[in-house]
Amino acid sequence: EVQLLESGGGVVQPGGSLRLSCAASGFTFSSYAMNWVRQTPGKGLEWVSSVRAGGDATYYADSVKGRFTISRDNSGSTLYVQMNNLRAEDTAVYYCAKSPGSSSHYYFDLWGQGTLVTVPS
Amino acid sequence: EIVMTQSPATLSVSPGERATLSCRASHSLNSYLAWYQQKPGQAPRLLIYGASTRATGIPARFSGSESGTEFTLTISSLQSEDFAVYYCQQYYNWPLTFGGGTEVEIK
Repeated sequence: EVQLLESGGGVVQPGGSLRLSCAASGFTFSSYAMNWVRQTPGKGLEWVSSVRAGGDATYYADSVKGRFTISRDNSGSTLYVQMNNLRAEDTAVYYCAKSPGSSSHYYFDLWGQGTLVTVPS
Repeated sequence: EIVMTQSPATLSVSPGERATLSCRASHSLNSYLAWYQQKPGQAPRLLIYGASTRATGIPARFSGSESGTEFTLTISSLQSEDFAVYYCQQYYNWPLTFGGGTEVEIK
C-alpha cells in the first residue's frame, strides 16, 4: 500500500527542538521530491519546506528559514524535518506530502495523516 | 510571493446542485495550479493539477478551468461526500502558496 506515516510530534516549550519523521512505503521514495505542509488548528494550509528527490536542493518558507532543516534518507525511505527554536506560531499539524516528480511540479499527490506539534505560548 | 485568494469563504449548496469555487492568483501561473479537498479530521486529497487535469480516481463531476489568473473548480452535481473544504495551491514559483479555502456546506 502506498502511504506516508509521520511521527515525532508532541508538546515542546518555546525555544525547544523537535524532529519529525515520515516513513514512506509502497513507492520508490528516492524518485520523488518530498515536502512538509502544516495546518494551524482550524485554519488553512501553509507550505513549510521541500526537498528534491536526490536531496541536492531544499526550499523553505520564510517563516521557518534558519530554524527548520529538511532532509531525507533515500536508503531508508524516510523524510525528516529538524525544527529548532520553536515558537508558539509553529503550533500545527504537520503533514508529509509527496510530489509527482523528482525536481519540479511541486504539488502534492500523496499525504500522510499528520502529526501535531504544540508549542505553548 | 504569489497570493492566492479563494471565494467565497463558504458556499451553501443543496445535494445534486452545481458548485462553483473560485481562486484568483496575484500573478500568472502558467497553469501550475492544484486543487485539494479536505474533510474534517483528514489530510487533504489532490483533486486537480495543471489547472484542469483530474488526479487518479477523482470522479468526472469535478472539473477545473482557468482564465488568465482566475481559476475555477466546478462540482457538477454535489454528492453527500463532497461537502468539505477546498483549497487551491500554486506551484509556479517559490514559496508555494495556498488559498484560504472554501467550505462547501449543505444548504
